[in-house]
Amino acid sequence: AQSVTQLDSQVPVFEEAPVELRCNYSSSVSVYLFWYVQYPNQGLQLLLKYLSGSTLVKGINGFEAEFNKSQTSFHLRKPSVHISDTAEYFCAVSDVFNQAGTALIFGKGTTLSVSS
Amino acid sequence: NAGVTQTPKFRVLKTGQSMTLLCAQDMNHEYMYWYRQDPGMGLRLIHYSVGEGTTAKGEVPDGYNVSRLKKQNFLLGLESAAPSQTSVYFCASSYGRGSYNEQFFGPGTRLTVL
Repeated sequence: AQSVTQLDSQVPVFEEAPVELRCNYSSSVSVYLFWYVQYPNQGLQLLLKYLSGSTLVKGINGFEAEFNKSQTSFHLRKPSVHISDTAEYFCAVSDVFNQAGTALIFGKGTTLSVSS
Repeated sequence: NAGVTQTPKFRVLKTGQSMTLLCAQDMNHEYMYWYRQDPGMGLRLIHYSVGEGTTAKGEVPDGYNVSRLKKQNFLLGLESAAPSQTSVYFCASSYGRGSYNEQFFGPGTRLTVL
């Protein structure tokens, strides 16, 4: 079964600094990868997704992620963060060969805290 | 479009009470899901449905039941609530699986069981 590991549970950063949130997944022949953001007291919102094609994926709010098949990673980056980026971020994988279970498999989340 | 809606937003139960959480989506999605979110645990799948009239167990199904009588609605029931079921519950829906498995989430229901 697929699994997702988010390597940092908390990432504190100053405003306008760059940030990287790390995500590794267990190996599979083919995967679809997602990053979701959850602002306080809200549901999850899709940031970006990798389905196929270019390994560099751009999402909303200036975020981007790079799919690295050899390292089984899908790290999320932003060159300059804002206070409003403070939220919890979830990496998720959908296994294309997962016949019985069609739900996404989520990592445990990374809390990004941006301070001035 | 309202997207995915959940009712109620908050609920407090006593141990042993029952309740039903309602999820509705207006995107004509085939797949619907119920997750629970607990601190440090991420989201864990409770039950899911791949179409009207079908349901299946997820990772943590014990103590919960579900029904999908209409395509747009997915109900989550707790027959006899326990303090361990204190959590935030999220409903989600998607068009399909695999590359179509972009899931859209509701705002959540915060449940406390005393």
